[in-house]
Amino acid sequence: EVQVLESGGGLVQPGGSLRLACAASGFTFSADTMTWVRQAPGKGLEWVSAISGSGGTTYYADSVKGRFTISRDNSKNTLYLQMDGLRAEDTAVYYCAKGRGLVTPDYWGQGTLVIVSS
Amino acid sequence: QSALTQPASVSGSPGQSITISCTGTSSDVGAYNYVSWYQQHPAKAPKVVIYDVSTRPSGVSNRFSGSKSGNTASLTISGLQAEDEADYYCSSYTTSSTEVFGTGTKVTVL
Repeated sequence: EVQVLESGGGLVQPGGSLRLACAASGFTFSADTMTWVRQAPGKGLEWVSAISGSGGTTYYADSVKGRFTISRDNSKNTLYLQMDGLRAEDTAVYYCAKGRGLVTPDYWGQGTLVIVSS
Repeated sequence: QSALTQPASVSGSPGQSITISCTGTSSDVGAYNYVSWYQQHPAKAPKVVIYDVSTRPSGVSNRFSGSKSGNTASLTISGLQAEDEADYYCSSYTTSSTEVFGTGTKVTVL
C-alpha cells in the first residue's frame, strides 16, 4: 500500500526558514517523481514543486522559485522541501504526493500545516 | 501560470448526472492529454479520480468519467450519490513543465 507521511510543519516568522520532510513507503521510491502541493486556508490547490526519481531534475512554481528547494534521499525513501524567505502568503497545508509523469500529483499524504506569522 | 477556470459550484439530486468544466489554454489543457481530476472531502487530502483526461484509477467508481475538447476538459459524475459531495479540482501539465490546478468546484447533492 502506497503511503506518504509529511512532517516538519509549524509556526515560523516572516523571513524565516523551515524544512518539510515526507517519508514514503509501499512503492519503489527512487523510480517515481515526487511533488509538493499546498493549500492556503479555505483556498484552492497550488502546485509548488516536483523532482524526478533520480533527483537530477527539479521543477518549481514561479511563486516559490529561488526561495524553496526540493530534494530527496532515495536511501531513506524521503522527500524534502527546504523553505527559505518565508512570507505570510506561504501559509498553507503542504501536501507531499507521489507523482505521475514528470510533475503531476497522484497519491497524496495528509499534509502538514505551515503558518508564517509574527 | 493562471489557474484553470472551473465553476464555483454545481449541484444535482441523487441519481442525476452532473458535469464540471475546466477551461485552460493552448499552453496547458489544450497542449497535452495530461488532465487530472481530484476529489477532496472536507479536511481530507485530495484523491485522484481521473488522470490522463479519461483514465480511472483502480478502485474509483465507473460513475466518474472524463473528456476533453480543445482547451476545455470535463468531469462527469453519473448516478450522483451523497458521498460524491466534495470539492473537485482539475489539473493539467503545462508547456512550462509545471502543473496548474483549477479554481475548484463545490459539488452539492441536493
